[in-house]
Amino acid sequence: SQELEQSPQSLIVQEGKNLTINCTSSKTLYGLYWYKQKYGEGLIFLMMLQKGGEEKSHEKITAKLDEKKQQSSLHITASQPSHAGIYLCGADAINTGTASKLTFGTGTRLQVTL
Amino acid sequence: NAGVMQNPRHLVRRRGQEARLRCSPMKGHSHVYWYRQLPEEGLKFMVYLQKENIIDESGMPKERFSAEFPKEGPSILRIQQVVRGDSAAYFCASSPTRSNEKLFFGSGTQLSVL
Repeated sequence: SQELEQSPQSLIVQEGKNLTINCTSSKTLYGLYWYKQKYGEGLIFLMMLQKGGEEKSHEKITAKLDEKKQQSSLHITASQPSHAGIYLCGADAINTGTASKLTFGTGTRLQVTL
Repeated sequence: NAGVMQNPRHLVRRRGQEARLRCSPMKGHSHVYWYRQLPEEGLKFMVYLQKENIIDESGMPKERFSAEFPKEGPSILRIQQVVRGDSAAYFCASSPTRSNEKLFFGSGTQLSVL
């Protein structure tokens, strides 16, 4: 079965600093989804990547999927307290071409200090 | 447009009791997914349902767990004779179509078994 490993497990950054979160898969990623989970709340969809080499941005968050489609990175520029939360990568493990059955990593807990 | 509604937010049960978790998908969404987040583990897929049909239940434990999504009313995840190991956050997600690229998650139900 597919395993997703995220690094780091937790991260504390000062407001205004940049940071990167990585998601590495044991198998080819057919679709890679980034979600954010605020403490005690549900998941909020951030971005979905499908093609090797693809890069997407939304506000100050950029996600990339490497050419071999086994690793993705999420980069936050000039972090703000509103970026705090748990970032989860999820994968379409069996090439359904949809988000109907995702395998998730264990998450990266981000804290942003003033 | 209300999001995915889950209730209750917190549920406490004693060992051997039954737990019923409810999920009302977003308006217009006919596809529902249940995920479980055990302490210190990632989100794990449990079951995917469409109105009155179970599409994929490959992530459901073989015993004591069942799910339904009737023609009218919310989707129900039912756990019979709960044990301490069932304590977890249970998340429901919905999508308008099977081929949708993103899921809309509820805030989850935190089940605690005493």
